[in-house]
Amino acid sequence: AQTVTQSQPEMSVQEAETVTLSCTYDTSESDYYLFWYKQPPSRQMILVIRQEAYKQQNATENRFSVNFQKAAKSFSLKISDSQLGDAAMYFCAYRSPFQGAQKLVFGQGTRLTINP
Amino acid sequence: DAGVIQSPRHEVTEMGQEVTLRCKPISGHNSLFWYRQTMMRGLELLIYFNNNVPIDDSGMPEDRFSAKMPNASFSTLKIQPSEPRDSAVYFCAGLAAGKGNTIYFGEGSWLTVV
Repeated sequence: AQTVTQSQPEMSVQEAETVTLSCTYDTSESDYYLFWYKQPPSRQMILVIRQEAYKQQNATENRFSVNFQKAAKSFSLKISDSQLGDAAMYFCAYRSPFQGAQKLVFGQGTRLTINP
Repeated sequence: DAGVIQSPRHEVTEMGQEVTLRCKPISGHNSLFWYRQTMMRGLELLIYFNNNVPIDDSGMPEDRFSAKMPNASFSTLKIQPSEPRDSAVYFCAGLAAGKGNTIYFGEGSWLTVV
């Protein structure tokens, strides 16, 4: 079974600075999807960014980018120019592409605090 | 397009009562997931439907929990009888095959059992 590990329960960063959240995963599959979801205090799960394992290029979405290291099974999230609205829980997640196994497997989450 | 719609958003109920949580997935999403989130256990998959058929219900805690998906536009998660340890946020989420490969979540149903 696949597992996802986020080793940083909490992180903090000064507003306008850059922060990197870590995520590692374990799988025997060669094709899969990886995601970062943001959960603000409202508890809604919001997709931040996704990465297909077959793509070597790291995904980017505005201020958010990932460092995907397939061999190391590492998938970190970099947030540039941090804003107060970025404060939230961030979850790393893995999904298999195969029918019947398409559920998201989540890490434990990292609580990100933005200091003004 | 409307997102995944869940109801109720908040419910407070007494131990022993029946609780029914409802979900309307995004049109065209052929896979539907029920997740539960607690402080102790994080995000757990309860059950997963594909084309209205339950594929994986290994996460359903016990017989007190049941889920149905009678058609492509509606699903329910029922707890009977409810217990205080069932207090959690319950999420419904959907996946459209071949469309972005992303699972989209509803806003969640906050359940408190007292």
